[in-house]
Order: sequence, then C-alpha cells, then structure tokens
Amino acid sequence: DQQVKQNSPSLSVQEGRISILNCDYTNSMFDYFLWYKKYPAEGPTFLISISSIKDKNEDGRFTVFLNKSAKHLSLHIVPSQPGDSAVYFCAASGETSGSRLTFGEGTQLTVNP
Amino acid sequence: DAGVIQSPRHEVTEMGQEVTLRCKPISGHNSLFWYRQTMMRGLELLIYFNNNVPIDDSGMPEDRFSAKMPNASFSTLKIQPSEPRDSAVYFCASSRVLAYKNIQYFGAGTRLSVL
Repeated sequence: DQQVKQNSPSLSVQEGRISILNCDYTNSMFDYFLWYKKYPAEGPTFLISISSIKDKNEDGRFTVFLNKSAKHLSLHIVPSQPGDSAVYFCAASGETSGSRLTFGEGTQLTVNP
Repeated sequence: DAGVIQSPRHEVTEMGQEVTLRCKPISGHNSLFWYRQTMMRGLELLIYFNNNVPIDDSGMPEDRFSAKMPNASFSTLKIQPSEPRDSAVYFCASSRVLAYKNIQYFGAGTRLSVL
C-alpha cells in the first residue's frame, strides 16, 4: 500500500527554467510534508517542509504547494540550476503515525546546462 | 556541527556472516531512526529510538535484525545471519525531538552487499 506516490521517476529541464516535481498521498491523516534531495552516495538532505495549515511555503528558489482537497503537493524550483540535479523524495507524517515518515519513490531531476 | 556519522560506508560480506552497522547521531538529538533503501521497496523505516529507548520496531523485517542504542551518541544495527536479500543501503537519521512535525537528518548511509 503506497501511501505516498511520486508518479514521475524522472524529469529533465533546461537550466534557468522551472522544475515542478509532484507528489500524491492517500492517507488523509497526513498533515506534515517534507521534501528531501539526494545526491549519489549521500544521504537524503532536508530541503523544505509544509504543514497542512498552509498551502504554500517558500525558501529562496524552492516553493512547496499543498492542495489538501486533492491530496497533492508539488515542489517548484525556479530558476533550475545544474547543481539541482538529484533525486527528490517527498515524505509525509501525521499525528497518528508518530514520528514515522512515509517516503515516496523519488524523482530523478536532471537540469541540463 | 558534525552531521550524522555512519560506518562503515561500504560493507561486503558473505551469506551467513554477522554484519554490524554503526551510527552516531547529531549531538543533542534525542531521536534516532534506521532506514533501508532498496530498488523494490524504496526508503523504509526499520526502527526508531527516543532517548535511547526503542519506540517502534515494526519495520524490522525479521528476527535476524536487531538494533541497540546503548547511549545517546551511538547506535548499532546488526544482521545475523546475513542473507543476499539484505543487500541494500542502510541509512541512519536523527532528529532533535520526537514529534511528527520533525525534520530528520540523514547520514551518508552504509552500502551493504551480501554475497
């Protein structure tokens, strides 16, 4: 039962353009969401989070949007840079799941110079 | 400040051998998590501790797996005996508090290959 899904295994964009990574969830008890970035041979690195009381959170070039009714969130990277090329994981948690984070499968982003 | 430190970075062993993975969480963090990443199952939580006490080990695949946290700065994940299907990348993560709105900080992982 995959409660957090990232349906696009890969995404390729041109440097300077917008990258949009998507994530869907099925568990309505999830109310805290995070994005992690992972380079090869490294561990996931926290990028940005959002609580369900908000529909948008912004940090520099990174913005996360949350659509609770659609159970959908997205990460926007503007402008995209070659150094952004990595695997991006969406993760979710809820009060009933305790400290357990449920991760999506990841999306490989490639930003071409 | 040093991040989460895992050792070894790579481990190659033969089926049936005991494997011990080590983790040092970020100083001051009270919660520690062990994850496994495989192609088939992605990133899955194995077990987590709060204040050195195991809270939830429901993700531990079988009795061959055990984890301990003897003090606030050290944890081990042991597999005995190891099997080829245990081959994966094992991550340790820590967080400052045990709360569902928490950020977990990951180590670089241990890549385990069981031949």
